[in-house]
Amino acid sequence: KQEVTQIPAALSVPEGENLVLNCSFTDSAIYNLQWFRQDPGKGLTSLLLIQSSQREQTSGRLNASLDKSSGRSTLYIAASQPGDSATYLCAMQADSSYKLIFGSGTRLLVRP
Amino acid sequence: SAVISQKPSRDICQRGTSLTIQCQVDSQVTMMFWYRQQPGQSLTLIATANQGSEATYESGFVIDKFPISRPNLTFSTLTVSNMSPEDSSIYLCSAEGVWTGNTDTQYFGPGTRLTVL
Repeated sequence: KQEVTQIPAALSVPEGENLVLNCSFTDSAIYNLQWFRQDPGKGLTSLLLIQSSQREQTSGRLNASLDKSSGRSTLYIAASQPGDSATYLCAMQADSSYKLIFGSGTRLLVRP
Repeated sequence: SAVISQKPSRDICQRGTSLTIQCQVDSQVTMMFWYRQQPGQSLTLIATANQGSEATYESGFVIDKFPISRPNLTFSTLTVSNMSPEDSSIYLCSAEGVWTGNTDTQYFGPGTRLTVL
């Protein structure tokens, strides 16, 4: 059974700091991996999608990497801002069925 | 970009009653999905709803408890039947990102926060 784990569960950093969120999965046979942001009362916002054939994707201050052999993905946030405070979820898709398996999330607080 | 909306945004219900949640996408999509997020937990897929066919339910979820309709390519409903306090969760719908040209990306509605007393 495929499982997705996110560490740490919570993180508090001062504004301007660079940070890394971790996501691990138990089966290296993945179709793609997606990072989301969840704000209270606002559902999920898709941040980055990495296909299984890719090693990383970048969008603005965000960079996501994928290492299938080690079963890991990381989300790098550069120059963090208070507006980055949210819960970050990673979700893997094991095959073309579109089913997403979510991690439990990392709750990020960026202090002004 | 397309918008996914849900109604109601939140509700408080009595045990034993049923609630129907609506999900509207302002672009035609083949596949829509319903997820549940229990308090303090991550998201779990309830079922996949394709237009013109019966919904496909994940292990642990049954049609009698969570009937789903998918009458057209832009709309779906999820009913939570005979509710108990354990059904208190956020229910989210999502859709494949056809309008972005990338169907591998899923986009989510804002969620419906359900509290059952």
